[in-house]
Amino acid sequence: DSGVTQTPKHLITATGQRVTLRCSPRSGDLSVYWYQQSLDQGLQFLIQYYNGEERAKGNILERFSAQQFPDLHSELNLSSLELGDSALYFCASSARQDPYEQYFGPGTRLTVT
Amino acid sequence: ELKVEQNPLFLSMQEEKNYTIYCNYSTTSDRLYWYRQDPGKSLESLFVLLSNGAVKQEGRLMASLDTKARLSTLHITAAVHDLSATYFCAVDRITGNQFYFGTGTSLTVIP
Repeated sequence: DSGVTQTPKHLITATGQRVTLRCSPRSGDLSVYWYQQSLDQGLQFLIQYYNGEERAKGNILERFSAQQFPDLHSELNLSSLELGDSALYFCASSARQDPYEQYFGPGTRLTVT
Repeated sequence: ELKVEQNPLFLSMQEEKNYTIYCNYSTTSDRLYWYRQDPGKSLESLFVLLSNGAVKQEGRLMASLDTKARLSTLHITAAVHDLSATYFCAVDRITGNQFYFGTGTSLTVIP
C-alpha cells in the first residue's frame, strides 16, 4: 500500500458528461501528479501541483482541469468526455517538487460509453 | 518533444535465464526512472538513476545509465516467475518540469 488513495475505483459515464476524480496524497507529501494510461497513448503525464500551486503541465487537454486544495488532496476534472478519454488515471504524490520519489495510487478506471 | 523508446515491447523468457531491457531517449534528460506494473495494478518505483555511469541493483534487477548514449538498461538475472510484469522507464527534464514514459516492456517468465 503506497499510502496514496484515489476515488472512485471505477467510473462509467456517457460521452459529453463531466466527471471528477479524487486523489489524497501520502501524509506529508506536498506534490500531486496526475497521469493517464491508455492503450492508444500509453502512459502520459498530465499535470503536477505542489502545495496548492500548479507546477508543471504535460499533455493535458483543455477539457481537463485539476486543482489541489489546502488539505493537499487533488481533483482532476474531465469534461465533454469522449470515447477516447477512456483510460486508467493515476495520481502520485511526492514530498519534493520534483518526481524523484513518487508513490502511485491504485488508479481510477474511467470508461466512456 | 522528448521521446522514450523501449525494446523489446514483449519479452518471454524462461526461468533462470538472463535478459536485458533497453530504454533509449531522444534528448538530454535529467534523471532516468524504472517502474514496474503488475497486471491491473498501479506502478511501483524500482530505480532512479541520476548521472552517467550510475548503476543500481536490487535482487535480480540491475539498472544502469549511459547519458552519452542516451541509453538505460534493466538487466534481469536468473529470472523467476515473480518478475513477470510490465516495466517502464521514464525520464524527466527539470527545465520545464516535464516527465516522459517509455512504451513499456511486457515481461513473461515461463517456468
